[in-house]
Amino acid sequence: NAGVTQTPKFQVLKTGQSMTLQCAQDMNHEYMSWYRQDPGMGLRLIHYSVGAGITDQGEVPNGYNVSRSTTEDFPLRLLSAAPSQTSVYFCASKQGGRGYTFGSGTRLTVV
Amino acid sequence: RKEVEQDPGPFNVPEGATVAFNCTYSNSASQSFFWYRQDCRKEPKLLMSVYSSGNEDGRFTAQLNRASQYISLLIRDSKLSDSATYLCVVNDEDTGRRALTFGSGTRLQVQP
Repeated sequence: NAGVTQTPKFQVLKTGQSMTLQCAQDMNHEYMSWYRQDPGMGLRLIHYSVGAGITDQGEVPNGYNVSRSTTEDFPLRLLSAAPSQTSVYFCASKQGGRGYTFGSGTRLTVV
Repeated sequence: RKEVEQDPGPFNVPEGATVAFNCTYSNSASQSFFWYRQDCRKEPKLLMSVYSSGNEDGRFTAQLNRASQYISLLIRDSKLSDSATYLCVVNDEDTGRRALTFGSGTRLQVQP
């Protein structure tokens, strides 16, 4: 049981490039979400999904797209990377009233 | 005003000390609350839930004051391994935000 797996762990992008951050969970959790963490700020919600085929925007969705074709996977796409998207990205999942399980994070630098 | 406010610290305490962290939240409709722990360059991990009547888990005690919209975490007999950032978290799922709202964290450094 691997929990929540994020790849890659580190990534450097040039401004304007696109990429996909992968997130997979093997716990059959319905709810999955993406957060970003910046220095001096709490984690902020980017997008979330309450089940396969259902996604919605969080607090800071601009510049990001998501899809949820399966229960297990919830990829985050950066459409055209900007330096303001330099951050640590965490994927999290949960089922029902239980606590959230976070992935180990992706450290992204946009130059 | 931030939705969840915490003193960023750092709190530097000797081993064996008792230390308390406080947190205030702005959404009076929030129903559930948590403390998460985050080690340097790691993901947040659930430390404990916070119940209205207060709850204890070993050396850790959490308190909630709904009237004042205030949450606290008390750590007794601090260990070196308690050094981390402690995140106050409000579950706003029931208020329509469908998400957790995080404070920016309080850093604790326990010194030998």
